[in-house]
Amino acid sequence: DAGVTQSPTHLIKTRGQQVTLRCSPISGHKSVSWYQQVLGQGPQFIFQYYEKEERGRGNFPDRFSARQFPNYSSELNVNALLLGDSALYLCASSLDRSPGNTIYFGEGSWLTVV
Amino acid sequence: AQSVTQLDSQVPVFEEAPVELRCNYSSSVSVYLFWYVQYPNQGLQLLLKYLSGSTLVKSINGFEAEFNKSQTSFHLRKPSVHISDTAEYFCAVSEPGAGSYQLTFGKGTKLSVIP
Repeated sequence: DAGVTQSPTHLIKTRGQQVTLRCSPISGHKSVSWYQQVLGQGPQFIFQYYEKEERGRGNFPDRFSARQFPNYSSELNVNALLLGDSALYLCASSLDRSPGNTIYFGEGSWLTVV
Repeated sequence: AQSVTQLDSQVPVFEEAPVELRCNYSSSVSVYLFWYVQYPNQGLQLLLKYLSGSTLVKSINGFEAEFNKSQTSFHLRKPSVHISDTAEYFCAVSEPGAGSYQLTFGKGTKLSVIP
């Protein structure tokens, strides 16, 4: 079975531009979360979506937005990119939003803002 | 608010030696605890987790961690490390009943196994 898949794997953007990152969860998983991992730090929670609704949001500015589609895939959008947005963006899926469920992570999308 | 502290950013250890990676957490409520491993250029993989019950939890590849409520710790141990254990290890916590499944991670510990 396919794991969590993310695209693109690497991308370079210029300050002020906008970026869209995509994620397909494991088949049957209805919950998708996004995390930002800056170099040298642990991942930081951005969003959780479950059944196409936002169920949790971390301490990120409104430039960050996301959505979940009827097939449970998800997109993360970041507007007005800053140099500090350079990071590995991880998508994670779980069966539902129960805290004890195992979260499975994708390999991430490396975003470099220049 | 919950937080996680991993006391060592880098841990070098010789092959076949024992290792302990330390993790302390701070939370006002009961928590679930996790260890994830990240190999170079890969995503995170769950190593083991504590939800309830026995305070000692084990992974299939020889790692174990013990939940200590009084010391708010969840240290990861392995009695004999292999070269293939070289990776970055992240301790994480979540709160049951929080309504959303949010993991709070520590900054990670880079384990380097020396031949």
